[in-house]
Amino acid sequence: AQRVTQPEKLLSVFKGAPVELKCNYSYSGSPELFWYVQYSRQRLQLLLRHISRESIKGFTADLNKGETSFHLKKPFAQEEDSAMYYCALSHSSASKIIFGSGTRLSIRP
Amino acid sequence: SQTIHQWPATLVQPVGSPLSLECTVEGTSNPNLYWYRQAAGRGLQLLFYSVGIGQISSEVPQNLSASRPQDRQFILSSKKLLLSDSGFYLCALRDPSSGNTIYFGEGSWLTVV
Repeated sequence: AQRVTQPEKLLSVFKGAPVELKCNYSYSGSPELFWYVQYSRQRLQLLLRHISRESIKGFTADLNKGETSFHLKKPFAQEEDSAMYYCALSHSSASKIIFGSGTRLSIRP
Repeated sequence: SQTIHQWPATLVQPVGSPLSLECTVEGTSNPNLYWYRQAAGRGLQLLFYSVGIGQISSEVPQNLSASRPQDRQFILSSKKLLLSDSGFYLCALRDPSSGNTIYFGEGSWLTVV
């Protein structure tokens, strides 16, 4: 069965410190992985997707099929990064999209 | 571009009363539509999804149901609300013609009292 696990409910780091939000998944096929972000008082929005191999707002995420992980990283955290982050999984030909339980990132000044 | 409208934005209902949350989308045709519930500490839970008119897939057996009477309309309903139905409900769409990114509505806060 499809499953997305985000082991950290809350992650608190100092401004300028590196950030890594963990995401592990279980899926028997070829998944498509995403990171979504929800800033305070805003709707959920796409941050990045693994097939794009892009860096958005300084964040990157690499799909590691061997470890079934898709951790989100940023080398230097900024205060505006404080938000709720969700990892999500979908099969490219399927309609269902499931999310992890989310990690609240708090950046301390 | 796609837009999603959800209403009502907030709702307070007594236990045992019916529920109807509506979601309409614009700027897309034949989208996949989703209902999620966002609860503190439990993240986003997929409740229902629909790939077309009248086609509903239920992910979690519970007190809720969904319907898709039109291509761009998705309704979440209940005949008798429970206290545990309280939460933040999100409608989302995926336009298959523009990849697998999904877009979310602003959500509806439901409080059952």
